[in-house]
Amino acid sequence: AQSVTQLGSHVSVSEGALVLLRCNYSSSVPPYLFWYVQYPNQGLQLLLKYTSAATLVKGINGFEAEFKKSETSFHLTKPSAHMSDAAEYFCAVSDRGTDKLIFGTGTRLQVFP
Amino acid sequence: GAGVSQSPSNKVTEKGKDVELRCDPISGHTALYWYRQSLGQGLEFLIYFQGNSAPDKSGLPSDRFSAERTGGSVSTLTIQRTQQEDSAVYLCASSFRGWGNNEQFFGPGTRLTVL
Repeated sequence: AQSVTQLGSHVSVSEGALVLLRCNYSSSVPPYLFWYVQYPNQGLQLLLKYTSAATLVKGINGFEAEFKKSETSFHLTKPSAHMSDAAEYFCAVSDRGTDKLIFGTGTRLQVFP
Repeated sequence: GAGVSQSPSNKVTEKGKDVELRCDPISGHTALYWYRQSLGQGLEFLIYFQGNSAPDKSGLPSDRFSAERTGGSVSTLTIQRTQQEDSAVYLCASSFRGWGNNEQFFGPGTRLTVL
């Protein structure tokens, strides 16, 4: 069965620092991969998705993620953190041909001034 | 345009009572999903509707949970004889065609508290 592992339930960075949120997936076939963000008391919003068109995916708010098949990883990065990036981030996978999302446990990002 | 809406936003109920949660998907979206977000279990898939196909109920945790989608649009998630472990935020999402690589748009959720 598909699964997603997010290393680090909490990540803290200073404003302006690099953001790196880790995600590894388990699949024998490259799946579709997603990063969602959840701001406090809000629903989930799609940041970016990988669907095999390109290994480096750019999303909203300056975030990007790189699909690395050899490492079964899809880490999320942002060169310079902003206070408004403080939120919970979820990596998710869906099998090709199926539709339900399997989520990781989430990483809460804190940004300090 | 309108996004996915859910009602109520908050629901407090007593153990043993039945509850109904409603989801209005984005107009034209053929696929509708229910997920549950709880402290202990994270985000879990519950059920998925796609067009006129039989729903994928593989994520429903017990037979106390059921869902229907009327007219290919609005969906209702029903929990019978609620238990305290049912306390969670129930999220609804919709997408167009539902072919795995399509973005799922999420509603704001219904926070259910079972006393």
